[in-house]
Amino acid sequence: GIQVEQSPPDLILQEGANSTLRCNFSDSVNNLQWFHQNPWGQLINLFYIPSGTKQNGRLSATTVATERYSLLYISSSQTTDSGVYFCAVATDSWGKLQFGAGTQVVVTP
Amino acid sequence: DAMVIQNPRYQVTQFGKPVTLSCSQTLNHNVMYWYQQKSSQAPKLLFHYYDKDFNNEADTPDNFQSRRPNTSFCFLDIRSPGLGDAAMYLCATSGRWLNEQYFGPGTRLTVT
Repeated sequence: GIQVEQSPPDLILQEGANSTLRCNFSDSVNNLQWFHQNPWGQLINLFYIPSGTKQNGRLSATTVATERYSLLYISSSQTTDSGVYFCAVATDSWGKLQFGAGTQVVVTP
Repeated sequence: DAMVIQNPRYQVTQFGKPVTLSCSQTLNHNVMYWYQQKSSQAPKLLFHYYDKDFNNEADTPDNFQSRRPNTSFCFLDIRSPGLGDAAMYLCATSGRWLNEQYFGPGTRLTVT
């Protein structure tokens, strides 16, 4: 099956800092999503981005499908950005998501 | 607002006592998925429905069953929960074209 690797595994930021999270995948995908899992466990949709670039407020994402990676940018980080960020991809006709191991982000005041 | 709802949010059951988790959606989506997420791990797909068609992952234990009586509702039945089944259970939906998935808030299951 497809391999999904996220880096770094852990990230500690001071409030106001910028950061980049990376997701590498081993095969062509027809779906790629970024999620933020909050402390209560809910997965919040950040981006549906199988290719191209999108921006939503302080967050933006870029997927280069031909090179099999995606980047999530967090600018001017806030303490509410803390949590685990997951990249998930699908390769089949059923849209079944394969998740990476996640990046644990801690933003300190 | 259209959404995915899971009940209960927290469930405690005893070892071997059957338990049912529920998921409902107001998005009118064709596809519903169940994922299991153990502590400090990524979510892992258990099975999914495309309309009434059920699709089981090869490594999903037989102890896990699912029902989808109509478009809006889907249930996860754990017939004889073991301590290893303690996890967060996440329901998700997606539309006919199988693109973006939307997740519910999850049910955290404890087995005593």
